Amino acid sequence: AQSVTQLGSHVSVSEGALVLLRCNYSSSVPPYLFWYVQYPNQGLQLLLKYTSAATLVKGINDFEAEFKKSETSFHLTKPSAHMSDAAEYFCAVNAGTASKLTFGTGTRLQVTL
Amino acid sequence: DTGVSQDPRHKITKRGQNVTFRCDPISEHNRLYWYRQTLGQGPEFLTYFQNEAQLEKSRLLSDRFSAERPKGSFSTLEIQRTEQGDSAMYLCASSLDRGAGLTGELFFGEGSRLTVL
Repeated sequence: AQSVTQLGSHVSVSEGALVLLRCNYSSSVPPYLFWYVQYPNQGLQLLLKYTSAATLVKGINDFEAEFKKSETSFHLTKPSAHMSDAAEYFCAVNAGTASKLTFGTGTRLQVTL
Repeated sequence: DTGVSQDPRHKITKRGQNVTFRCDPISEHNRLYWYRQTLGQGPEFLTYFQNEAQLEKSRLLSDRFSAERPKGSFSTLEIQRTEQGDSAMYLCASSLDRGAGLTGELFFGEGSRLTVL
């Protein structure tokens, strides 16, 4: 079985501040992990993915995530938030021979002036 | 635009009516997925196709739901005798993957929002 838990359904940061969105996964085999972003009334767009290569993964728009096996975590960070980062962020896992992604419940990021 | 397209984008229907959604995946992608997303939740897997074969269905896919991908290209998702609980965003995604597992990226469409009155 595979699952992800996203801690914090809402996160609010000031523009220019660090963004940290938390994701913990559960998997009995080495997983592939993904972060997607969803803007209002739109589909999901891939930010970055971990597929067992480098543990620090860089994605689009200066987002990055670090795979930590010992902590079963894959937290998403961005050094400096921008107003355009306001959106819903989803962590997802695919483990072993599973042919589908399992998503977390999402974290809504609010960016304030 | 060569991304995943879904039609219609919005559908309002009365309880008990049938609705059908269409998804056109990226042309060279062999896998096509249907997900459902309700307010405040992440996408939930419904079913997926590899080419024209439907390989997996979620328990969420009741008997009132049927999906097809007749020629391995576009897909339809039909809901019969709709209920208010079917109100959700129905997302389609496609990918290019070989063999078992999923190593590639899922490319999502913008979704079809269903409102059942």
